[in-house]
Amino acid sequence: AQKVTQAQTEISVVEKEDVTLDCVYETRDTTYYLFWYKQPPSGELVFLIRRNSFDEQNEISGRYSWNFQKSTSSFNFTITASQVVDSAVYFCALSEAGSARQLTFGSGTQLTVLP
Amino acid sequence: GAGVSQSPRYKVAKRGQDVALRCDPISGHVSLFWYQQALGQGPEFLTYFQNEAQLDKSGLPSDRFFAERPEGSVSTLKIQRTQQEDSAVYLCASSLELAGSYEQYFGPGTRLTVT
Repeated sequence: AQKVTQAQTEISVVEKEDVTLDCVYETRDTTYYLFWYKQPPSGELVFLIRRNSFDEQNEISGRYSWNFQKSTSSFNFTITASQVVDSAVYFCALSEAGSARQLTFGSGTQLTVLP
Repeated sequence: GAGVSQSPRYKVAKRGQDVALRCDPISGHVSLFWYQQALGQGPEFLTYFQNEAQLDKSGLPSDRFFAERPEGSVSTLKIQRTQQEDSAVYLCASSLELAGSYEQYFGPGTRLTVT
């Protein structure tokens, strides 16, 4: 069975600090997809990134970067120079190729960026 | 373009009442998913449609939950004889499902409160 663990329930940082959100996953499939979503106070889940299991290249998008390591089954998310607008709940999710594509979510990390 | 829309945004039901929650996916998206999100938790999969076919309903918690997508676009999630444990945010997501494009885009959700 697939499982996603986000051990950090809440993180609080001061604006301009860098912060890393951890995600560890479990799956028996060799082909799978990993995702990060942001859920601001408004409640709508916003898609941030998708990574395929066969592509371990790290990715950078502006202040966001993602580190995918199959050896440790981790897909961590780093925000550089955090801003107050980054405050939200961040979810890591997994989808197995053999399934109906449903997402298995972690329990989320509440990030608070203080001014 | 327009995103996923859901209605109503908020619903209060007395225990035992039936409710119907509507989802309008992004135009042209083949796949549609329903998730249930309890307070402080990540979303949990309920059911999945590909066009009008319900391919997976393994996440529906009981036979009081029923979903349909008769014409392959709009979907309705119906909960009969609501119970207090049904109180949650119900999220709808759609996906284009072309090769290499499995991102799910979420609506704002319907917050159901059963009193």
